[in-house]
Amino acid sequence: GENVEQHPSTLSVQEGDSAVIKCTYSDSASNYFPWYKQELGKGPQLIIDIRSNVGEKKDQRIAVTLNKTAKHFSLHITETQPEDSAVYFCAAAFGNEKLTFGTGTRLTIIP
Amino acid sequence: DAGITQSPRHKVTETGTPVTLRCHQTENHRYMYWYRQDPGHGLRLIHYSYGVKDTDKGEVSDGYSVSRSKTEDFLLTLESATSSQTSVYFCAISDGGSRSYEQYFGPGTRLTVT
Repeated sequence: GENVEQHPSTLSVQEGDSAVIKCTYSDSASNYFPWYKQELGKGPQLIIDIRSNVGEKKDQRIAVTLNKTAKHFSLHITETQPEDSAVYFCAAAFGNEKLTFGTGTRLTIIP
Repeated sequence: DAGITQSPRHKVTETGTPVTLRCHQTENHRYMYWYRQDPGHGLRLIHYSYGVKDTDKGEVSDGYSVSRSKTEDFLLTLESATSSQTSVYFCAISDGGSRSYEQYFGPGTRLTVT
């Protein structure tokens, strides 16, 4: 089945700096790559996604890049703020409306 | 949480007892999913449904069963709970079509099996 690897597992950055989280996937047929943010005690929230027909997508301070040849995609957060502290999950689509998730990155923004 | 509720939100039960978790949606989405979340494993798919009475297994389905008799409700049953099923369970929904694969999650149910 599909396998998604996510790195790093923990990341600490100074407030105002940028954060980058990377994921690789195994199934070359995957065509949808979402990112989720999970705050303590809550369900994951879809924050941005990208489909395989584009290489980059931006939404204010967050962006996702996709390299289909290398089978990896990344989440970029610029000008980080304390409210960006959370656990972030990447995922890749496979067969019949299913997603495989990475193991998560705990992002801590240091004031 | 995109019109998704889960009940109960917290439950403590004993080994060997049956447990049913409920997911209810008000979005009329076709697809519904049950995941479990454990440290170091991310979110793993237990079962999913692609329509009323249409369900299939995910990667960690052993010990779990599901039912979907109405569009809005998806039930997850642990026939005989074990300590290894202590976890946080999330329901998700997806509409398919032009928004294919976009999944939206409920608030979760924390289950402890003693």
